Parts: sequence; structure tokens; C-alpha cells
Amino acid sequence: NAGVTQTPKFQVLKTGQSMTLQCAQDMNHEYMSWYRQDPGMGLRLIHYSVGAGITDQGEVPNGYNVSRSTTEDFPLRLLSAAPSQTSVYFCASSYTWDSLPYEQYFGPGTRLTVT
Amino acid sequence: DAKTTQPTSMDCAEGRAANLPCNHSTISGNEYVYWYRQIHSQGPQYIIHGLKNNETNEMASLIITEDRKSSTLILPHATLRDTAVYYCIVRVAGSSNTGKLIFGQGTTLQVKP
Repeated sequence: NAGVTQTPKFQVLKTGQSMTLQCAQDMNHEYMSWYRQDPGMGLRLIHYSVGAGITDQGEVPNGYNVSRSTTEDFPLRLLSAAPSQTSVYFCASSYTWDSLPYEQYFGPGTRLTVT
Repeated sequence: DAKTTQPTSMDCAEGRAANLPCNHSTISGNEYVYWYRQIHSQGPQYIIHGLKNNETNEMASLIITEDRKSSTLILPHATLRDTAVYYCIVRVAGSSNTGKLIFGQGTTLQVKP
């Protein structure tokens, strides 16, 4: 299994540009999520999905859109990039539901700079 | 969700046991204790989790006090590759809570030769 993959690894955008960060997993996980990590800080949840067609907001959703048309893919769209969105973005996936504490698997991250 | 408190940083000699403490005095009865680590610039990596009993896997051991208000992650023989930020997280399992991990500042563990 490739696990959780993210593309691109690095991206530089100008203010106002839009782009999509890609995330895919091949473990048939129902749950997928996006986090951002700013320098010297912990991860903060942006959006998450508990299955295809179902998404919800996390802690810091403003400026980002998501959709989940398949189990495997969970793209994150920046609508109009701002310098405050300069960060490292991590995608994660896991099994979910019932009462078992499944572990999350994280991708390698996308390093985004907005100038 | 219960708040966790961890020391900002710790050092450990290579080959010795690393004991990383975590306080979670407001933990609820149905909240699990999870440990993740993040090696420089990489995505976080799951280490171990527990509810009440002590747990051990190939990476580490987790000791939870009887009142569940604190826990300790033990890396039995630390290596230089264990240098990382270690996050202690408490969370209810199941449903949409599964992935809503709240990462604090964590403990930066420096393993020294």
C-alpha cells in the first residue's frame, strides 16, 4: 500500500490565486481530514470527511473548500490564496465509526508559500 | 475534550529509556489517551493509545495512572531517530470524533549520543 499520498510537495502561489491540494489513500478508510501546521505550532484541523459525499468543518475552515466524491480522494481547494495561508498542510485518514480508537495515518505534507 | 499538559522539551541519552509525561487531569471516562510523534518536517506518526490499562507495542509502552489523570510514554531504548516532537492527545473514540485530534505544543525530545 502507498498509504496516504499528497501532491504537490511544494507550491508557491501569489495572493489571490487558487489551487487544489491533492490527497489520496489506498487503505479504504472512511475518514479523511486536512490539517495545517504553522511554524512552531501543533496541527489544526481544517475540514474532515466521514465518508464519500459527507464533509464538515474543523477548527480553521475559512478560505478552504473540500469535497469527497470517492472514498480514496479528498482534495483541498484554496479559493483565493492569502499570505496567512502560508503553512504546511497534512492530509490524514483512518477507519472510523463504532467505538474503537483507530489510529490516523498522515501524508508527507504539502509546503505552501503565498507571496 | 480534556486538555493535556506536557513539558516543552526533554533530553535523553542514546540507549537509555525516554520517559515522556503527560497530565490530563480533566479526562473523562470514555476518553482515550493517544500518543503521536512528528519527526522534523514529516507527517505525524501514531505511536500508541490506551484507555485504562497499561499498553505496550513494538514502539513504546504507555503507563496510565489508576486515576487516569496522567500518563507516561516510555521509549525503552531511545535512538537518535527517536528525536521528534511527541504529542499526547485525549479524545473520545468513535463516530466523527475519530479524527478530530487536537494537537498541542507537544514535547520536543532530543536524543543525544
